[in-house]
Amino acid sequence: DTEVTQTPKHLVMGMTNKKSLKCEQHMGHRAMYWYKQKAKKPPELMFVYSYEKLSINESVPSRFSPECPNSSLLNLHLHALQPEDSALYLCASSQDYARTFGYGYTFGSGTRLTVV
Amino acid sequence: GNSVTQMEGPVTLSEEAFLTINCTYTATGYPSLFWYVQYPGEGLQLLLKATKADDKGSNKGFEATYRKETTSFHLEKGSVQVSDSAVYFCALSEGGSARQLTFGSGTQLTVLP
Repeated sequence: DTEVTQTPKHLVMGMTNKKSLKCEQHMGHRAMYWYKQKAKKPPELMFVYSYEKLSINESVPSRFSPECPNSSLLNLHLHALQPEDSALYLCASSQDYARTFGYGYTFGSGTRLTVV
Repeated sequence: GNSVTQMEGPVTLSEEAFLTINCTYTATGYPSLFWYVQYPGEGLQLLLKATKADDKGSNKGFEATYRKETTSFHLEKGSVQVSDSAVYFCALSEGGSARQLTFGSGTQLTVLP
């Protein structure tokens, strides 16, 4: 299994809603990432988890709350989002954060989020 | 800090044309270099990579050579197909504190039949 699976594929939520994005991988990777991608732009790093511990938070607003329940799962909890948060949210994984440089990442297909 | 510069798009080619997408980088050490491809409505897929100078990465007819002297990693394909229409991202990562990927701005490629 060489995939990163993200659910849901599409999500429309109101500004007062609470929702969660889910990401799963079964490649034995120990580093997982959340990225945000706006149209026609490169992905922007949000969070890095290494061995289930939060390693990097790129000054992301607290309305985005990541969670890593185990080595295969990564969630992103959303609350009180703004319309400008509408974007494609990508999950990725790599073998080991310390050895990312030789291997690159495996990305999921993303969740297309629309905040209304 | 590290940075990646890609040629401005969009690029429009006819089927079977030769493709070059330029990529140059700035890094403090010895990065690994990657090309990712994003098809419409999808996530990013690793297309090819090179981890040291003079390495050539190749996949699906695409090639790129890690040129340390010119700090470049240009993507080439001899004969493009309509199915190659996508956005292409050049990226790098290093060890230490710069382990995460640094992406270029992306180049939209459209191949016409």
